[in-house]
Amino acid sequence: NAGVTQTPKFRILKIGQSMTLQCAQDMNHNYMYWYRQDPGMGLKLIYYSVGAGITDKGEVPNGYNVSRSTTEDFPLRLELAAPSQTSVYFCASSSTVTGTGDLYGYTFGSGTRLTVV
Amino acid sequence: AQSVAQPEDQVNVAEGNPLTVKCTYSVSGNPYLFWYVQYPNRGLQFLLKYITGDNLVKGSYGFEAEFNKSQTSFHLKKPSALVSDSALYFCAVRPGNTGKLIFGQGTTLQVKP
Repeated sequence: NAGVTQTPKFRILKIGQSMTLQCAQDMNHNYMYWYRQDPGMGLKLIYYSVGAGITDKGEVPNGYNVSRSTTEDFPLRLELAAPSQTSVYFCASSSTVTGTGDLYGYTFGSGTRLTVV
Repeated sequence: AQSVAQPEDQVNVAEGNPLTVKCTYSVSGNPYLFWYVQYPNRGLQFLLKYITGDNLVKGSYGFEAEFNKSQTSFHLKKPSALVSDSALYFCAVRPGNTGKLIFGQGTTLQVKP
């Protein structure tokens, strides 16, 4: 199984540009999440989704948007990139049922390193 | 407010010695507790979890963690550290019936030969 796939792995954006970070999972997980990781700050939740068509804000949603049209995909949109959005972004998914090695935990993607200059 | 604290930014230990990475939490209800490890330029990998039952849980790569409800702690331990254990470790808690995990700020473990 591929698990959680994130693309791209690296990206440099200019201030004011827009981009979409892609996230796809093939485990039929209901829950999906976007986190950003900054040095010494741990992981901060940006947005999450409990199923197709349902999304909600996390701790740091400003400057981002999400959609969840299918169970598999959960893209994160940056509309007007700012230097404060320089970070490593992780997508994760989880299931509320048994069958995965990390019951009630998360499966993470490998991350997207974004630099805004 | 619900939170997770990892009081040490870095833990240094010699190879072969026991290691402990500390975690305390503050949540309402019964918590689900997790440890994840992150190697450089990689995503987080699940190590172990506490849901219910025995307070000592065993996980991947010889790691274990002890849940202490009275001290609201979930410290990660390993009897004999390896150089390859050097990585960034995150404690996380899933409060009650929510799907969201709250992460600590992470602790860098450095194991020296």
